[in-house]
Amino acid sequence: LAKTTQPISMDSYEGQEVNITCSHNNIATNDYITWYQQFPSQGPRFIIQGYKTKVTNEVASLFIPADRKSSTLSLPRVSLSDTAVYYCLVGDYNTDKLIFGTGTRLQVFP
Amino acid sequence: DSGVTQTPKHLITATGQRVTLRCSPRSGDLSVYWYQQSLDQGLQFLIQYYNGEERAKGNILERFSAQQFPDLHSELNLSSLELGDSALYFCASSVGRDRSGELFFGEGSRLTVL
Repeated sequence: LAKTTQPISMDSYEGQEVNITCSHNNIATNDYITWYQQFPSQGPRFIIQGYKTKVTNEVASLFIPADRKSSTLSLPRVSLSDTAVYYCLVGDYNTDKLIFGTGTRLQVFP
Repeated sequence: DSGVTQTPKHLITATGQRVTLRCSPRSGDLSVYWYQQSLDQGLQFLIQYYNGEERAKGNILERFSAQQFPDLHSELNLSSLELGDSALYFCASSVGRDRSGELFFGEGSRLTVL
């Protein structure tokens, strides 16, 4: 099974840029890498998705190196409302399953 | 609002009992996924259905079963419940089966086993 690991937690201050990395050593070759945000007792919400190189939308950027064994979610100028748990989601090369990373709890301070 | 509806939102039951969780996917979505999230834990993949057929299976216990009906709604059946089955159960849907699309999650069903 694909092993997807993320830092357990990160702290930041309002206005700073936050980068969260997910390591996925056995990702399916044709799968996208997707990142989700989850608030307590709510379902995960889609943030951004990419296949390779760099993708940017109105809320985040996603950096994926050529070997696709990791990905980095970049949140520019975080605010208090960005305090949440962030998960990467990847496909497992061997089992065809969609596997969430271990999750990173981001705490943003004023 | 993701467009995915899960019922019930909360459920309290006793050990040994059986419950059914229901999920209505977004209009037009053919894939349904079930995930389990225990307290302060990550999201564990249980099972995926595509257009009525089982597509992928995760760490789903034998006491659990699921199906997707012709109208594309899905049900997750949990039987012989144990204390450790207490968790949030999320359903998600997507348009296709090839996993290149975005998953839309419901708000979850919180199961408490006493």
